[in-house]
Order: sequence, then C-alpha cells, then structure tokens
Amino acid sequence: AQKVTQAQTEISVVEKEDVTLDCVYETRDTTYYLFWYKQPPSGELVFLIRRNSFDEQNEISGRYSWNFQKSTSSFNFTITASQVVDSAVYFCALSGSGGGATNKLIFGTGTLLAVQP
Amino acid sequence: DADVTQTPRNRITKTGKRIMLECSQTKGHDRMYWYRQDPGLGLRLIYYSFDVKDINKGEISDGYSVSRQAQAKFSLSLESAIPNQTALYFCATSGTGGHTEAFFGQGTRLTVV
Repeated sequence: AQKVTQAQTEISVVEKEDVTLDCVYETRDTTYYLFWYKQPPSGELVFLIRRNSFDEQNEISGRYSWNFQKSTSSFNFTITASQVVDSAVYFCALSGSGGGATNKLIFGTGTLLAVQP
Repeated sequence: DADVTQTPRNRITKTGKRIMLECSQTKGHDRMYWYRQDPGLGLRLIYYSFDVKDINKGEISDGYSVSRQAQAKFSLSLESAIPNQTALYFCATSGTGGHTEAFFGQGTRLTVV
C-alpha cells in the first residue's frame, strides 16, 4: 500500500528562521513521483515541486530546497530565512507508476506552518 | 479562465438531500480526482478516474458517487447528504502516467445542516 506521512502537524517559527518540513513515504513501486504543494490561507493548492524516484539530486529554488533520500524514504522541504508569506499548509504527495491503483495521487495530512513577524 | 473549474464554490444543504458537485477542466488531461479536505486529515481521495470509462474508489468513497460525463467533466454526488460530509472538496486533474503535477480547482465548501 502507498502512504505519505507528515508527522509535524503544526510548526511555528519567527521570521528569518530556517524551517524543515518532513515527509516520509511508503510504496512498493520502483518508479514513483513525489510532490509538494502549498495551501495558503486563501485556500487554493499551489504546486511547488515534482521529483521522480530516479533523481536523488537535491533541488534548490530561491529560499526553497528539497532533500530526497531513497534510503530513508524521505522527501523533506526546507525554507531558508522564512517570511510571513510562507505561512500556509504544506502537503507532500505521492504517485506510483506500477499500474492500476498505485498510479493514484495520494497526500499526507499536511503541516501547518505559521511564520510570526 | 481557470484550468479546473468547480461549481458551486459554496453550498449549504440539508441532511438527506442529494447534491452534485461539478468539475470541468481545460487541460486535456485523462486523469481526474475528487478529494475531501478536513482539518488535520489532509486531502483524502474519494474517487478517481483515469479515463472516461475508468472509475475507481478512493479511500473514503462510502456515501459518494461519481460520473465521468466526458474527458473534461467529472462530477461528485452525495446521494443523501449527512452532516459529517461537511468539508472542503477539491477536484483535480493530471496527465497520464502519474508523473505530472495535479492541477486543482478552487474548492467547494459544502455544509450539511
């Protein structure tokens, strides 16, 4: 069975602090895809990044970075020098490619990040 | 125009009523999904469809049904609404293969009283 676990329910930081959001996944597929989405207070879901299982290179985009480690089945997301505008719920998601039901896109329970000024 | 459009955006309905939430997409994607969001529970998959003739139950399909009227349209029905179906509902679409990101509608806030 496929599963995504985001153990951190809520995180509160002060502006300019670095913060890491954890994501652990389970899948039996050898090829799979991991995603991060942001849901700001306005409610829409915003795509942040996609990573396939064959690409373990870390990704950096401005203040955002992602660390994918197959050995620990983790795909963690770090925000450097956090800002109030980063306050949102962040979701990690997984999609397999083994055919059938594993191809569906499933989400973790999300982490609510509150950045205080 | 939005890539994924959900109607209505907000709805209040009474217990026992039948209600349909509609979703249409302009991405040309084969895959469509319905999710439900509740505080602390994240996005839970209700139903998904990989093409017009393919409908699959997700993890919480009881009390819901769907119809894929066309590649671009995927509707969710609550046959007899109950209060614990009060939630934020999202429709999404993605390309074939699972490797592309999903595009979401703006959500439908449903309240069952």
